[in-house]
Amino acid sequence: GAVVSQHPSWVICKSGTSVKIECRSLDFQATTMFWYRQFPKQSLMLMATSNEGSKATYEQGVEKDKFLINHASLTLSTLTVTSAHPEDSSFYICSARDAPLRAGELFFGEGSRLTVL
Amino acid sequence: DAKTTQPNSMESNEEEPVHLPCNHSTISGTDYIHWYRQLPSQGPEYVIHGLTSNVNNRMASLAIAEDRKSSTLILHRATLRDAAVYYCILRDAYNQGGKLIFGQGTELSVKP
Repeated sequence: GAVVSQHPSWVICKSGTSVKIECRSLDFQATTMFWYRQFPKQSLMLMATSNEGSKATYEQGVEKDKFLINHASLTLSTLTVTSAHPEDSSFYICSARDAPLRAGELFFGEGSRLTVL
Repeated sequence: DAKTTQPNSMESNEEEPVHLPCNHSTISGTDYIHWYRQLPSQGPEYVIHGLTSNVNNRMASLAIAEDRKSSTLILHRATLRDAAVYYCILRDAYNQGGKLIFGQGTELSVKP
């Protein structure tokens, strides 16, 4: 299957700083990528849909100015958590589809664990 | 997206079959039934999906009720590595955006 890679796998930062997480499709082009957040013992919550070359579509309740998403190429989407606070500590997961019109599977990255001190 | 209902947790013994149920009584005619699983501290991985007919692949089988209001994911021989949270998700075939909305899933534990 197709491979989606995230970097970094984990990051610790101080409160007030910004953190960037990268999501790459390694062996396919992804016109659409999705960003999820997962708190401990909870399910994945969709944050936004990232479309190559256009603005991301955010789910209700997700602050677009806090979670900046850029999808500048067909193989890379980035999520920047701006002015991070301890409540932003979470497991961030991206996913991508290798065929935009196919009703098949999504490929997920390994996840990036963010800890804000 | 139509909602699914799964048991919070299930237990299985190693090398025995596991049947993971999912209820989706409000499923529409164009909803595909997807199953993903998430191992600890990892991103989810695709397991199987289907529309009306039962499906088999190297990982599992998917049995879909005739009225499509429920389905069952079957792991034929559970291994310790199958311990994970299993998510049953409905996705409209016309939802070209392709996003998946996750419910709570079933946490499967496998005993040696």
